[in-house]
Amino acid sequence: GIQVEQSPPDLILQEGANSTLRCNFSDSVNNLQWFHQNPWGQLINLFYIPSGTKQNGRLSATTVATERYSLLYSSSSQTTDSGVYFCAVISGTYKYIFGTGTRLKVLA
Amino acid sequence: GAGVSQSPSNKVTEKGKDVELRCDPISGHTALYWYRQSLGQGLEFLIYFQGNSAPDKSGLPSDRFSAERTGGSVSTLTIQRTQQEDSAVYLCASSLFLGQGYEQYFGPGTRLTVT
Repeated sequence: GIQVEQSPPDLILQEGANSTLRCNFSDSVNNLQWFHQNPWGQLINLFYIPSGTKQNGRLSATTVATERYSLLYSSSSQTTDSGVYFCAVISGTYKYIFGTGTRLKVLA
Repeated sequence: GAGVSQSPSNKVTEKGKDVELRCDPISGHTALYWYRQSLGQGLEFLIYFQGNSAPDKSGLPSDRFSAERTGGSVSTLTIQRTQQEDSAVYLCASSLFLGQGYEQYFGPGTRLTVT
């Protein structure tokens, strides 16, 4: 089955710093989403981005489907950005395959 | 409702008991999904519904797990004879339609602890 890998596994930043998270997938996909899981466990949609680039405030995402990766950029990080970031792709039937996640901690 | 809701938010049960977890999807969403997240782990897909039908049950961990959906809305995940390894957060998601072009929206989850 399709493999989804995320890097780095852990990231610690000072408030105000920028970051780039990466999601690699082993096969072509038609659906990719980025999620933020907050400290209370809620998964929050960030981007639905099977291809191209999108921006939302301090966040932007780019998916290069032909090269099988997606990037999530964050600028001017805030402590409230802390949590786990997951990318997820659809494989085969209709189930999402989640990456292993990047655990982000933003220090004040 | 405005979002996906799940109940209970927390459930502590004794080993061997049965539990039922409920999911209310976003109104009008035809597709519904169940996932499991064990402590510190990623998300494991369990089952999806298109309407009231679950075409593929192979993701359920064992025959102690079952799920149903009625009226194209509420879904229940039932775990019989719970074991300690069933302890996890169970997440439900819904999307407008089934398919690769539709975003999934997640509920807050049910934290299940089997003692």
